[in-house]
Amino acid sequence: GQQLNQSPQSMFIQEGEDVSMNCTSSSIFNTWLWYKQDPGEGPVLLIALYKAGELTSNGRLTAQFGITRKDSFLNISASIPSDVGIYFCAGQLVFQGAQKLVFGQGTRLTINP
Amino acid sequence: EAQVTQNPRYLITVTGKKLTVTCSQNMNHEYMSWYRQDPGLGLRQIYYSMNVEVTDKGDVPEGYKVSRKEKRNFPLILESPSPNQTSLYFCASSLSVASPLHFGNGTRLTVT
Repeated sequence: GQQLNQSPQSMFIQEGEDVSMNCTSSSIFNTWLWYKQDPGEGPVLLIALYKAGELTSNGRLTAQFGITRKDSFLNISASIPSDVGIYFCAGQLVFQGAQKLVFGQGTRLTINP
Repeated sequence: EAQVTQNPRYLITVTGKKLTVTCSQNMNHEYMSWYRQDPGLGLRQIYYSMNVEVTDKGDVPEGYKVSRKEKRNFPLILESPSPNQTSLYFCASSLSVASPLHFGNGTRLTVT
């Protein structure tokens, strides 16, 4: 099936550093979503982007919907230990009344205190 | 509290023994969906439902059944589980087909 290219696959950073990850696709999407998954839990929605070029913040998180509608990035500023986890991007397309949601492979974030 | 609830959280079973994983949401969401998550393969959609009595196949529906008799419930049925269905399963729901999905906490299934 269709997949998004999410990078990097993993990151090892020091507490306090900024983090940047992105997703690209060969297809356009109506909506870009960013989720975080902690061990043993389900993905939790962080940010939803609905319009090409949109830049949205949620606390220390900032995400943008690419102008071409084929990419998105997520930045985390001043990382803290609870930011550890796996981050997933997802492109959403509504076509003929059906929802198509395609996920990236995830970025595993590890923070050294 | 608004949530998607799956049961059980963990399940170990044997090949061929029918099982059902329940999913319930209390947000009056129209759209519900099941995913499986496997290492290296990410999240893949099994089945989805746009409303009561309306279900359709996702990307990996083989070996699974679903039903949507009520708006809040969307059980996943494995009539004859096989070891290749060992996986982490997530139920998700959204207000409408165009809204972001909210996920449950997952069911880890092992089929021996």
